[in-house]
Amino acid sequence: ETGVTQSPTHLIKTRGQQVTLRCSSQSGHNTVSWYQQALGQGPQFIFQYYREEENGRGNFPPRFSGLQFPNYSSELNVNALELDDSALYLCASSYNRAYEQYFGPGTRLTVT
Amino acid sequence: DAKTTQPTSMDCAEGRAANLPCNHSTISGNEYVYWYRQIHSQGPQYIIHGLKNNETNEMASLIITEDRKSSTLILPHATLRDTAVYYCIVRVVGNQFYFGTGTSLTVIP
Repeated sequence: ETGVTQSPTHLIKTRGQQVTLRCSSQSGHNTVSWYQQALGQGPQFIFQYYREEENGRGNFPPRFSGLQFPNYSSELNVNALELDDSALYLCASSYNRAYEQYFGPGTRLTVT
Repeated sequence: DAKTTQPTSMDCAEGRAANLPCNHSTISGNEYVYWYRQIHSQGPQYIIHGLKNNETNEMASLIITEDRKSSTLILPHATLRDTAVYYCIVRVVGNQFYFGTGTSLTVIP
């Protein structure tokens, strides 16, 4: 059974640029959630996708957008990057919306 | 959005039980309590969850008070590898987790 994987591991972007982060869910899981974790803070919920539809969104602006594919993998897109977007971005998958979430290792984004 | 309160940090001697408290006084009747831990900026790791009854698995035990306003995670025999940040989470409808700042547990040799 393959766990949740994320790519890339690290990346550095410049303020104003756009970035796409990718997540492959665990086998058999159809729900993907994305979180942002700033240094020293707990993860903050960005949004969740269930069967390719957005199923809830946290307090993040529209420049944070996402997508889920038929194989249940997912992308997080961030436009017009700001310095405060520097964080660890975590993806978590679950089997349906009512089960425990399994997290990937995260993507460390640095915005300069 | 966080609906839980936890101590910022705790220490525990290796081999002893670690008892991590969590207050969730505004929890609703259909909201589950979940516990995760995060080791050194890795992805959070699922530990255990419960609704009303006490739960136990190979990693830990979860004790939920009768009024469900608080809970305690118990690691029965703490090891150095249990040093981590532990998050108590109330799962809102739709499985959207709202993390707090967690408890930093240090297991001391």
